[in-house]
Amino acid sequence: GQNIDQPTEMTATEGAIVQINCTYQTSGFNGLFWYQQHAGEAPTFLSYNVLDGLEEKGRFSSFLSRSKGYSYLLLKELQMKDSASYLCAVRETGNTPLVFGKGTRLSVIA
Amino acid sequence: NAGVTQTPKFRILKIGQSMTLQCAQDMNHNYMYWYRQDPGMGLKLIYYSVGAGITDKGEVPNGYNVSRSTTEDFPLRLELAAPSQTSVYFCASSPSGGAGETQYFGPGTRLLVL
Repeated sequence: GQNIDQPTEMTATEGAIVQINCTYQTSGFNGLFWYQQHAGEAPTFLSYNVLDGLEEKGRFSSFLSRSKGYSYLLLKELQMKDSASYLCAVRETGNTPLVFGKGTRLSVIA
Repeated sequence: NAGVTQTPKFRILKIGQSMTLQCAQDMNHNYMYWYRQDPGMGLKLIYYSVGAGITDKGEVPNGYNVSRSTTEDFPLRLELAAPSQTSVYFCASSPSGGAGETQYFGPGTRLLVL
């Protein structure tokens, strides 16, 4: 079976830092992806982790611990335009399609 | 490149009607996917294809059919529309489905079945 859990909603203040967690229990693991999805739009790729550790890309960072089945997305210096849903997705084996969590809706307030 | 395109953007269907959701990509990607997204839910895989002539079921295939006669196109067919098929449908593609490859998504088709 497959289970990917994320908080449903989060609120954070402009200029602050927010961490969005994702835990997964899947039959296999061959990489974890984070996507951003603004309301009414398609998901867009943010980051990819396959080895343990932190990947940094500008204001966004993503961390992975394979032994704990855990990842987080860290957003720094929050801006109003970061208000969106953030989707965690796992590739279980080889080149199988991604399995998505339900997403976390982030609201950035002034 | 236009990337992944989907038509129509929005459609209202009556129960029992049929329709085809169109998806095309111009990136020469081998892998293509159809997902549906219900409010507050993640993306659920309906069908996918690893190349022309090859398709496979995803998590929620019932009520849908697909075909892949060319690399570029991957239409999704609803034969007898039901209210449970009200959703937003996203088509996606990736080069070869490799481990580190992201999936590129189209803009989506919003379908309302009444």
